[in-house]
Amino acid sequence: EDQVTQSPEALRLQEGESSSLNCSYTVSGLRGLFWYRQDPGKGPEFLFTLYSAGEEKEKERLKATLTKKESFLHITAPKPEDSATYLCAVQDHAGGTSYGKLTFGQGTILTVHP
Amino acid sequence: ETGVTQSPTHLIKTRGQQVTLRCSSQSGHNTVSWYQQALGQGPQFIFQYYREEENGRGNFPPRFSGLQFPNYSSELNVNALELDDSALYLCASSSDRGPEQYFGPGTRLTVT
Repeated sequence: EDQVTQSPEALRLQEGESSSLNCSYTVSGLRGLFWYRQDPGKGPEFLFTLYSAGEEKEKERLKATLTKKESFLHITAPKPEDSATYLCAVQDHAGGTSYGKLTFGQGTILTVHP
Repeated sequence: ETGVTQSPTHLIKTRGQQVTLRCSSQSGHNTVSWYQQALGQGPQFIFQYYREEENGRGNFPPRFSGLQFPNYSSELNVNALELDDSALYLCASSSDRGPEQYFGPGTRLTVT
């Protein structure tokens, strides 16, 4: 059974203070690892897909990296508008030709103070 | 390009009642997945529909059922509602072109 654990549960930063969020996973054949951003009361917003160890993706102040056991979401010089819950999810190769379920972690609540 | 839409936004039901939630997938997407998100938790997979057939199911009882229509929109039905069914229900659509799932805004269900 696929498992995803995110740490820390909550992170408070000052504006401009860079940091990283961790996502540890176990999966029987990784098809993809996904990062989402979720604002309170809203649906998750897709950020990145990572497929294999060593891969990196960037978007504005966010950079996602992947190893065989974990992924990191690095936030450089964050702003208050980066405050949200960040979710990590994995998808395995089960499901044949169609793309199957996502298994999510519990999320990291990021708060960036001005 | 229209994104994923869900209706209603909020819903209050009484224990034992039945509820139907609706989802319209993003243009060009043929797969719809449903998730339940309890407060403070990550989304949990309920089931997925691919070209109108169920394509996988999570650890949810049979009183959770669904269907997908020829236009790829979808419904989630929950019978005999329990207090623990109170959650944000999320619909996500995807296509054959890649594994990314794009989520709608969710339906907040409260069972009293």
